[in-house]
Amino acid sequence: DVKVTQSSRYLVKRTGEKVFLECVQDMDHENMFWYRQDPGLGLRLIYFSYDVKMKEKGDIPEGYSVSREKKERFSLILESASTNQTSMYLCASIRGGLAGANVLTFGAGSRLTVL
Amino acid sequence: AQTVTQSQPEMSVQEAETVTLSCTYDTSESDYYLFWYKQPPSRQMILVIRQEAYKQQNATENRFSVNFQKAAKSFSLKISDSQLGDAAMYFCAYRSASHGGNKLVFGAGTILRVKS
Repeated sequence: DVKVTQSSRYLVKRTGEKVFLECVQDMDHENMFWYRQDPGLGLRLIYFSYDVKMKEKGDIPEGYSVSREKKERFSLILESASTNQTSMYLCASIRGGLAGANVLTFGAGSRLTVL
Repeated sequence: AQTVTQSQPEMSVQEAETVTLSCTYDTSESDYYLFWYKQPPSRQMILVIRQEAYKQQNATENRFSVNFQKAAKSFSLKISDSQLGDAAMYFCAYRSASHGGNKLVFGAGTILRVKS
């Protein structure tokens, strides 16, 4: 089974802190994604990466950056955390593009609280 | 831009009964894919079922089936013989089949509660 592992299930940070959310997948998938999940809003795409060192903005990239130095690892960075970034963050990966009916594999999520 | 609407924030079903979750979407495209994902409490999201828009036949996966009405832009999920393990948040999602269709558009989700 493909595994997508998010290093932290729960984090509590203070406003202004720099926050790293790490995601690792073990099946050599080219494409990786970061979503944010909020009640009543579903999942919204923050950033995605289709190759090492490559990234593209999703729908809500403001306040976030990403890093993909190795194929298996995709990090989401909050340079200066704010309370409105309190949310559940989901990482996902897929082999190849979102072609055909290919399906994303998700991690278990990281719930971030910014105080 | 495409949108996906799930009009039922919460649904309840008795164990062994059947429940239908609604999903509508808005698109001007003719070729696309539709998905239902399940997110159990504190567990990772998994695919339930998928439908290619060019296929007229409704997809089925064991107790899960869809009613895909392309003209009405409707994609409902039917769960038969509901089980306690079906309790979860369910998301409907849309993806374009065209170039640049590199993201999923999700609905807001429906919480399904299963009563014993």
